[in-house]
Amino acid sequence: DGGITQSPKYLFRKEGQNVTLSCEQNLNHDAMYWYRQDPGQGLRLIYYSQIVNDFQKGDIAEGYSVSREKKESFPLTVTSAQKNPTAFYLCASSVTKGQGGTGELFFGEGSRLTVL
Amino acid sequence: KQEVTQIPAALSVPEGENLVLNCSFTDSAIYNLQWFRQDPGKGLTSLLLIQSSQREQTSGRLNASLDKSSGRSTLYIAASQPGDSATYLCAVFNFGNEKLTFGTGTRLTIIP
Repeated sequence: DGGITQSPKYLFRKEGQNVTLSCEQNLNHDAMYWYRQDPGQGLRLIYYSQIVNDFQKGDIAEGYSVSREKKESFPLTVTSAQKNPTAFYLCASSVTKGQGGTGELFFGEGSRLTVL
Repeated sequence: KQEVTQIPAALSVPEGENLVLNCSFTDSAIYNLQWFRQDPGKGLTSLLLIQSSQREQTSGRLNASLDKSSGRSTLYIAASQPGDSATYLCAVFNFGNEKLTFGTGTRLTIIP
């Protein structure tokens, strides 16, 4: 089945450790996104990528890093510089407007990170 | 800067009723508007997408409308069922950038 797979679903880490969240898609979408969701707040964009080997900062990129070496994969690293990393992280993908798509976003099931 | 508002934050209705969820946005220069459903602890499921040139979209018991001039969209759910209980989010895609701006959602509870 086509879709977006995020792993792990749950992750516990100690303060000061870097962690990497995986996001893989087999939808052949060019664009991929990482969002953070906190209780009572809307989704906030961390990073996005419209093409392999290129990515842009979103609204809250500080303390995070990404790579886009393959079209299918867009891993997110939460570094020790992120002040409040405990959150629900969501990955999404789409066919971009520039590539003739509607811009409709499809999401993975999310990864819940808890920093102890 | 685009701002998206969803009111009310929570809504409870008896099973079988028709209901409307509201979404408003401040910048009408949008490319599309998308409605999502989110179950607790899960990702977002796309329900309907309305392009800026469209007035409404329908899927089963769901109907979404768009009025760009007033900066509003509504999601109409007919004959509500307990399985409709979830948080509903709207998001707009603005011209000039490649990212969605989300509202904070409406948490819907359908009472059996």
